[in-house]
Amino acid sequence: AQSVTQLGSHVSVSEGALVLLRCNYSSSVPPYLFWYVQYPNQGLQLLLKYTSAATLVKGINGFEAEFKKSETSFHLTKPSAHMSDAAEYFCAVSGRTGFQKLVFGTGTRLLVSP
Amino acid sequence: EAGVAQSPRYKIIEKRQSVAFWCNPISGHATLYWYQQILGQGPKLLIQFQNNGVVDDSQLPKDRFSAERLKGVDSTLKIQPAKLEDSAVYLCASSLEAGGPSEQYFGPGTRLTVT
Repeated sequence: AQSVTQLGSHVSVSEGALVLLRCNYSSSVPPYLFWYVQYPNQGLQLLLKYTSAATLVKGINGFEAEFKKSETSFHLTKPSAHMSDAAEYFCAVSGRTGFQKLVFGTGTRLLVSP
Repeated sequence: EAGVAQSPRYKIIEKRQSVAFWCNPISGHATLYWYQQILGQGPKLLIQFQNNGVVDDSQLPKDRFSAERLKGVDSTLKIQPAKLEDSAVYLCASSLEAGGPSEQYFGPGTRLTVT
């Protein structure tokens, strides 16, 4: 069964600083990987997804993530944080065959200070 | 395009009472999901429908939870009787196709508090 581990329940950065949110996956075969963002009192919104076309995936709002098979990682980065990036971020994994469900990590809350 | 609609947004009930949540997915989306998100955790899939058939309900506590998707469109999730540990946000999502890389679109959720 697939699973993901997000390191750090909270990450604090200053506005303009690099954002790095960590995600490691566990899967016997290369899975699909996703990053979702959740703003307060809202549902989740897809930031980006990895489907094997390219290991470096670019998403919305300037975020990107790199799939590293050797490290079983899919870390999310953004070169320069903005106040509006403050939210909860979830990494998720899905298998590639049949009706594979999405399995979410426990989330990382990003705090951005001025 | 209208998003996934859910109601109510908030609900407070006492333990042992019953409660129902409603979800209307994006038009044309064949797959509908119900998730439970407990405070401090990621969403956990409760049940997945493909049109009006159940694809996965392995994590649905069937002794108290039930869900239906009439005519393959909107859906209702019911809890009867509720327990304190059911306090959570219940998220509905929909996608064009089931599983794989298909993007899931989430509604705003229903926050349930059981006292």
